[in-house]
Amino acid sequence: SQQGEEDPQALSIQEGENATMNCSYKTSINNLQWYRQNSGRGLVHLILIRSNEREKHSGRLRVTLDTSKKSSSLLITASRAADTASYFCATDGRDRDDKIIFGKGTRLHILP
Amino acid sequence: NAGVMQNPRHLVRRRGQEARLRCSPMKGHSHVYWYRQLPEEGLKFMVYLQKENIIDESGMPKERFSAEFPKEGPSILRIQQVVRGDSAAYFCASSPGLGQNYFGPGTRLTVT
Repeated sequence: SQQGEEDPQALSIQEGENATMNCSYKTSINNLQWYRQNSGRGLVHLILIRSNEREKHSGRLRVTLDTSKKSSSLLITASRAADTASYFCATDGRDRDDKIIFGKGTRLHILP
Repeated sequence: NAGVMQNPRHLVRRRGQEARLRCSPMKGHSHVYWYRQLPEEGLKFMVYLQKENIIDESGMPKERFSAEFPKEGPSILRIQQVVRGDSAAYFCASSPGLGQNYFGPGTRLTVT
């Protein structure tokens, strides 16, 4: 079964607006990662947040982690057309030997 | 340090033929994971290997699929007697251990 579940499945916003995507997971984790996948391309690692961290920033990205709720959010501020992609969360669980499990992703579309 | 390499990038096979997908992990990485992405679906874990060992193949179909990661050379995902339903993008990822996984660009398999 999939560990990560992203919400919403699809999101369309105007360029310049902020985009927020959420991820929920089921079991204990070592860390949670967000990836981006452009159409026809491989996954690109965006940010990793460890289980003892609550918030992390990288450029226009902000990730939060709430281990009590087993959820994470990815915020992209001041969105750009180039942000159009699918975004996946992935968890690296304590109970599994380094295996990464992905959700189905959120398809983000930035409207000009 | 070159990233994870996968080849071929695109592979076309007729039904019944064999498909061999290769993955060269990043230098120093001894953990390799294979994932499959079916159209309109998220990535699904297939198998996790360390050098010369299969650690977890719980996501691998029981028949026709096999994977290896020899002491020397790339990891190979082998699909025998391919069927149309095997058409997908296959991604491998490598890691030095706990934490971040680095993904390759994927191999897009088309079965005609």
